[in-house]
Amino acid sequence: QVQLQESGPGLVKPSQTLSLTCTVSGDSISSGSYHWSWIRQPAGKGLEWIGRMYTDGSTKYSPSLKSRVSISVDTSKNQFSLKLTSVTAADTAMYFCAREDSYYVFFDPWGQGTLVTVSS
Amino acid sequence: DIEMTQSPSSLSASVGDRVTITCRASQSINKFLNWYQLKPGKAPKVLIYLASTLQSGVPSRFSGSGSGTDFTLTISNLQPEDFATYYCQQSENTPRTFGQGTKVDIK
Repeated sequence: QVQLQESGPGLVKPSQTLSLTCTVSGDSISSGSYHWSWIRQPAGKGLEWIGRMYTDGSTKYSPSLKSRVSISVDTSKNQFSLKLTSVTAADTAMYFCAREDSYYVFFDPWGQGTLVTVSS
Repeated sequence: DIEMTQSPSSLSASVGDRVTITCRASQSINKFLNWYQLKPGKAPKVLIYLASTLQSGVPSRFSGSGSGTDFTLTISNLQPEDFATYYCQQSENTPRTFGQGTKVDIK
């Protein structure tokens, strides 16, 4: 069964770049028709879609974050990554990676999430 | 962006109760509506996709209905493990958007 696990620094300074990695196990990140996605949840708030990368390498981002976000994939490590530049306290959140089926279009599975705090 | 409005934002219920959560989209999303369960420290879990299809392994006490703009998640015979926060999410187009969540706690 496919499993996803987020990793990366738990603390990032304001104006710096947040970098997270999602490691996929149980299947090849290159197989099938999936969107590899990032979603976040600020404390006490709802879920926000950040963006996704398709198996062919094409990407789509949230318009509100588009100028600061990039998602990439490393097929040799079976990982995909998130970079968010110029972070502020508003970017403090639990960050989840998830796989979206391109046909049935729902997120499954998800990682457990990793908390990132933006603070000096 | 398609705005998703969930109600109620929280509710208290007892084991064995029937619980209904509603989700309204700001425009038609056909049947592209999913429901998720979130618990602290655990990976979120899809319960229902395409408005009414039960994900494999999810108990049959969960059901979904609706199309267009109005959708419902029903939990019949609420169990202790069902106390959690539930989110709807549209997959009609991008950006994907979620409702604000409904927290179900113990009465």
